[in-house]
Amino acid sequence: DGGITQSPKYLFRKEGQNVTLSCEQNLNHDAMYWYRQDPGQGLRLIYYSQIVNDFQKGDIAEGYSVSREKKESFPLTVTSAQKNPTAFYLCASRPGGGRLGLPAPYEQYFGPGTRLTVT
Amino acid sequence: KQEVTQIPAALSVPEGENLVLNCSFTDSAIYNLQWFRQDPGKGLTSLLLIQSSQREQTSGRLNASLDKSSGRSTLYIAASQPGDSATYLCAVLNAGGTSYGKLTFGQGTILTVHP
Repeated sequence: DGGITQSPKYLFRKEGQNVTLSCEQNLNHDAMYWYRQDPGQGLRLIYYSQIVNDFQKGDIAEGYSVSREKKESFPLTVTSAQKNPTAFYLCASRPGGGRLGLPAPYEQYFGPGTRLTVT
Repeated sequence: KQEVTQIPAALSVPEGENLVLNCSFTDSAIYNLQWFRQDPGKGLTSLLLIQSSQREQTSGRLNASLDKSSGRSTLYIAASQPGDSATYLCAVLNAGGTSYGKLTFGQGTILTVHP
């Protein structure tokens, strides 16, 4: 089965602790994304990576960090500096990387999400 | 900066009605527009993708149109069913400037179809 996996589905942490959310894809996609969703809200982009060993900040990167050492993996660390970490986190990937000039759909696929609760 | 707006924010209809969800975006420099469905507590399921060179896409009872020059897309759902109840999100893959390669989402339309 090809797809995106996120683990765990639910995560609970104490305030002040760093926590790392896993995202793995076996779709051979170049680009990967992390989004955050709060109740009743749309998705906001945290970080994205269009190729291995490279990533860019999204709209709300403060308090988060990422790495992209392997094409199939894009872990997100929520640090203690993130003021409101409780949220639903979604990982996504798409083909094409940074070469969007090629004629292709560049459809984005999403994982099932991780719900993080920090108390 | 790209902004995506969806109208209405919520919609409640009786089963069997045809309905239209609207999406507008401010920057026409896009590669594609995707419509997603999200069930409560779940991830996103892609419904339709329209490339910037296309005008519409159809899948079953769903039809999505794109007018890139005016920055608008509509999702038409025919003969709605209670199983269509979900949040519908539109998103654009940006092609311009500092937003290159980023997917920008609207806030979503919460659809309820009652029997």
